Amino acid sequence: GIQVEQSPPDLILQEGANSTLRCNFSDSVNNLQWFHQNPWGQLINLFYIPSGTKQNGRLSATTVATERYSLLYISSSQTTDSGVYFCAVVWFRDDKIIFGKGTRLHILP
Amino acid sequence: NAGVTQTPKFRVLKTGQSMTLLCAQDMNHEYMYWYRQDPGMGLRLIHYSVGEGTTAKGEVPDGYNVSRLKKQNFLLGLESAAPSQTSVYFCASSYSYLTDTQYFGPGTRLTVL
Repeated sequence: GIQVEQSPPDLILQEGANSTLRCNFSDSVNNLQWFHQNPWGQLINLFYIPSGTKQNGRLSATTVATERYSLLYISSSQTTDSGVYFCAVVWFRDDKIIFGKGTRLHILP
Repeated sequence: NAGVTQTPKFRVLKTGQSMTLLCAQDMNHEYMYWYRQDPGMGLRLIHYSVGEGTTAKGEVPDGYNVSRLKKQNFLLGLESAAPSQTSVYFCASSYSYLTDTQYFGPGTRLTVL
């Protein structure tokens, strides 16, 4: 099956810092999504981004499908950005969604 | 507008017992999903539905059954619970299949002893 790897696994930053989270995948995909799970477990879909770049406030994402990676940028981090960030891909072979193991982000006040 | 709700929030079962998890959405979404999340892992798709009366298998369907008798409800059943099914279960819904924003419920924490 397809492999989805996220890096780094853990990240601790001071409030106000910028960060880049990476998602690598091993085969062609039909789409890619980024999710945030807050410390209380609630999941939110951040971006649907099979290719190109999207921005939403302080967050932006870029997917380069031909090189099989996606990046999530968080600028001017706030404590509310803490939690786990997952990327998920839909493999073109079986159209099923596969999640990476996530990057745990902790923003210090 | 409650979004996606899940019942119950917590449950403890003994091995071999059965139970049903209920997911309800009030956004008129066609697509609904059941995921499980184990410690240190991302979500894994158990089953999904592309509309009322339809269901399909995801990545980890064994040991689970589902039903979508009404468009707004998606039920996940465990016929004979096993300790390996101890997990947090999330339901989600969306307008289109995995190409649109998924809206998640708050999760159900299930422990099987």
